Amino acid sequence: DAGVTQSPTHLIKTRGQQVTLRCSPKSGHDTVSWYQQALGQGPQFIFQYYEEEERQRGNFPDRFSGHQFPNYSSELNVNALLLGDSALYLCASSLDRSSYNSPLHFGNGTRLTVT
Amino acid sequence: QQPVQSPQAVILREGEDAVINCSSSKALYSVHWYRQKHGEAPVFLMILLKGGEQKGHDKISASFNEKKQQSSLYLTASQLSYSGTYFCGPKGSGAGSYQLTFGKGTKLSVIP
Repeated sequence: DAGVTQSPTHLIKTRGQQVTLRCSPKSGHDTVSWYQQALGQGPQFIFQYYEEEERQRGNFPDRFSGHQFPNYSSELNVNALLLGDSALYLCASSLDRSSYNSPLHFGNGTRLTVT
Repeated sequence: QQPVQSPQAVILREGEDAVINCSSSKALYSVHWYRQKHGEAPVFLMILLKGGEQKGHDKISASFNEKKQQSSLYLTASQLSYSGTYFCGPKGSGAGSYQLTFGKGTKLSVIP
């Protein structure tokens, strides 16, 4: 049973560039959430996708956008990269039908470095 | 709004006990607990639902007091494998309460 897979594992970009991160949810899961984790901090919620739509968004600018595909996989896009966007980006999948008690299953993340 | 965890860090010797507290400023329906080891993804430990039910996971248990909007994680007879950063993620109820907002975490170090 494959867990959550993310790609790439590491990425180095230059300020101003754009980046796309990818996530495949755990088998059977239909909901994908994206988190940003700065060094020494807890994961910060970016947004959640369900039924191919953004269902809820955290306090992140419009430079952060996403997409969910019919097979439930998801992408996170960040435009006009800033140095402050350097972080570990975590994808977490879950099952919507029991959203209040459905645990999140995290991928190993993508380490983004902006220079 | 981000929940507040205490303590921020704790060092234990194997076999000692610890309590990690999590407080929220908003009404809660459930609280999630996760552990993240260095360089790894957060791993789910348990969920507590409104009702004050105490749950356990091996020698790790937790309680949830929805009136006080607090949850506590209890680690008994700690093992080296318990080392890591523990995050609580309270969840509200009602429309739009899909996100899990994590605290800054409590770093637990268990030494021999």
